Amino acid sequence: SQQGEEDPQALSIQEGENATMNCSYKTSINNLQWYRQNSGRGLVHLILIRSNEREKHSGRLRVTLDTSKKSSSLLITASRAADTASYFCATAPNRDDKIIFGKGTRLHILP
Amino acid sequence: AAGVIQSPRHLIKEKRETATLKCYPIPRHDTVYWYQQGPGQDPQFLISFYEKMQSDKGSIPDRFSAQQFSDYHSELNMSSLELGDSALYFCASSQRRLAGLRSYEQYFGPGTRLTVT
Repeated sequence: SQQGEEDPQALSIQEGENATMNCSYKTSINNLQWYRQNSGRGLVHLILIRSNEREKHSGRLRVTLDTSKKSSSLLITASRAADTASYFCATAPNRDDKIIFGKGTRLHILP
Repeated sequence: AAGVIQSPRHLIKEKRETATLKCYPIPRHDTVYWYQQGPGQDPQFLISFYEKMQSDKGSIPDRFSAQQFSDYHSELNMSSLELGDSALYFCASSQRRLAGLRSYEQYFGPGTRLTVT
């Protein structure tokens, strides 16, 4: 069964606005990661947050993790056209495990 | 910095043919993972290797096999190809042996796009 489910499935916002994507998962995890994928291209690792962490920042990205609710959110501030992509959350049940991807959120930044 | 290399980048095969995809991990990375991403789908884990031994297996069809070689590169062999095998195949690598207590971040290659006609 799918580990991660993303919400919303698609999101369109104006350039400069903030974009928030949510991810829920089902089982316990060691870490949760967010990836970006431009249409049909490679997966770019954005950020990893461990199960004992609650929030992490990287540039314009802010990730939160709530293990009690089995959920995470990715916030992209001051969005740019180049942020248009699909965003996947991925969980690792153990630190040396395969990654289980969610279905992704398609983000479209409008000029 | 060196990244994960996958070859070929694009491959077109006919039904029932065979295909071999190659993955060259980041230098000093000892673990390789293979994922399959169908059109409009999320990536699905196929198989992984650590120190040349299979470490985990996912939804990999019996028609597929893979191995990791002494130089840590990996090959995914796909036989009796079906139309449904058309997908983007990603390889990722990580370094377990020297990671200590840190989680193993996986670094993805650009993928091989396989089209079966």
